[in-house]
Amino acid sequence: QKEVEQNSGPLSVPEGAIASLNCTYSDRGSQSFFWYRQYSGKSPELIMSIYSNGDKEDGRFTAQLNKASQYVSLLIRDSQPSDSATYLCAVKESGSARQLTFGSGTQLTVLP
Amino acid sequence: DGGITQSPKYLFRKEGQNVTLSCEQNLNHDAMYWYRQDPGQGLRLIYYSQIVNDFQKGDIAEGYSVSREKKESFPLTVTSAQKNPTAFYLCASSIRTGPGEGNSPLHFGNGTRLTVT
Repeated sequence: QKEVEQNSGPLSVPEGAIASLNCTYSDRGSQSFFWYRQYSGKSPELIMSIYSNGDKEDGRFTAQLNKASQYVSLLIRDSQPSDSATYLCAVKESGSARQLTFGSGTQLTVLP
Repeated sequence: DGGITQSPKYLFRKEGQNVTLSCEQNLNHDAMYWYRQDPGQGLRLIYYSQIVNDFQKGDIAEGYSVSREKKESFPLTVTSAQKNPTAFYLCASSIRTGPGEGNSPLHFGNGTRLTVT
């Protein structure tokens, strides 16, 4: 079973700080990487995708991918209380048509 | 607007009864998926379908069944054989991608919360 690992948290940061969320994966051939945000009781929503090594920025969010280390991270700058949610890392495995394998999620709380 | 509709939002059943969860999409996506989420955990794949009249088991298919008679619809039946059916069930769809293909994110419905007592 290919694995996607995340620190479960909870992670607490003060408002305005940078929140750093980490994810490691076991399948070296994985191709596509996604971060989903899930508010309590709601379904996940896609916030970032990354496919190549390096950084990808979208507003206050930056995804970082290092395939050699099998590591993907999400940085949230200027964190807001509305960012408080569970963040799910998802990886598309190589040689698979079954879409994504999800980590267990990191619960983030941004303190006002 | 295109999207995925799951119904009902909340469902209550007695132990030993089968129950069917509805999932309909109008995104014209070929691929559809069912995930289960338990409190504090990530999503686990139950079944997926890449094309009409074809579907495959995911990681936790025991006690569940699906059908894919139409492109738009992928209902999930939770049978009495499922030992711990109480959970949050999520249906998703995507553009079909095969092995070696990448880059197609999942679109999720709003979920059905099933409680079995």
